[in-house]
Amino acid sequence: GAVVSQHPSRVICKSGTSVKIECRSLDFQATTMFWYRQFPKQSLMLMATSNEGSKATYEQGVEKDKFLINHASLTLSTLTVTSAHPEDSSFYICSARDFQGGTEAFFGQGTRLTVV
Amino acid sequence: AQSVTQPDIHITVSEGASLELRCNYSYGATPYLFWYVQSPGQGLQLLLKYFSGDTLVQGIKGFEAEFKRSQSSFNLRKPSVHWSDAAEYFCAVGARNYGQNFVFGPGTRLSVLP
Repeated sequence: GAVVSQHPSRVICKSGTSVKIECRSLDFQATTMFWYRQFPKQSLMLMATSNEGSKATYEQGVEKDKFLINHASLTLSTLTVTSAHPEDSSFYICSARDFQGGTEAFFGQGTRLTVV
Repeated sequence: AQSVTQPDIHITVSEGASLELRCNYSYGATPYLFWYVQSPGQGLQLLLKYFSGDTLVQGIKGFEAEFKRSQSSFNLRKPSVHWSDAAEYFCAVGARNYGQNFVFGPGTRLSVLP
């Protein structure tokens, strides 16, 4: 079945630095990808919708200047956490649907970000 | 607005016992319905999905779910739980429009006693 590859799976960074997370659809094309954030013992909350070739759409309360999203091709979306702070530590997951009639969302394995 | 509720935050069952995890949704039209499982620190794995047709759907690992339109429910069941089923389970509603995201329930944590 379709696979979404997310990298890295774990990252530890210092406060003030930036971290880039990649989300790739391996055997299908996705004009839209979604980025979710998951706090411990909580559900997935949509952060933003990544649109190939155009600006991302951010959910209310999500700082677009802190969470930069780039969807430069039909198989790759990146999320960059800029000037990271400890409160940005979380589990980030991307998902994508095959734009050629895909009905289910495929999820990456997630990225555990720890900011120290 | 779309929403998904999972009334049970945490369920504990004995290995070999049956299991039912509840899911109710609110949606303006007939949605796609999904159950995902997540092990600690891992991504999400699709257990099963409902699009249309037969309201009882079979999934992987011996799970099944039944869509009941009149109750806006999509409960997950398994006749005999295995210790490896201990995980977090999420019910999700997906729009039929490609560009719309999925909405997840709060999750139910399943513990399995030996």
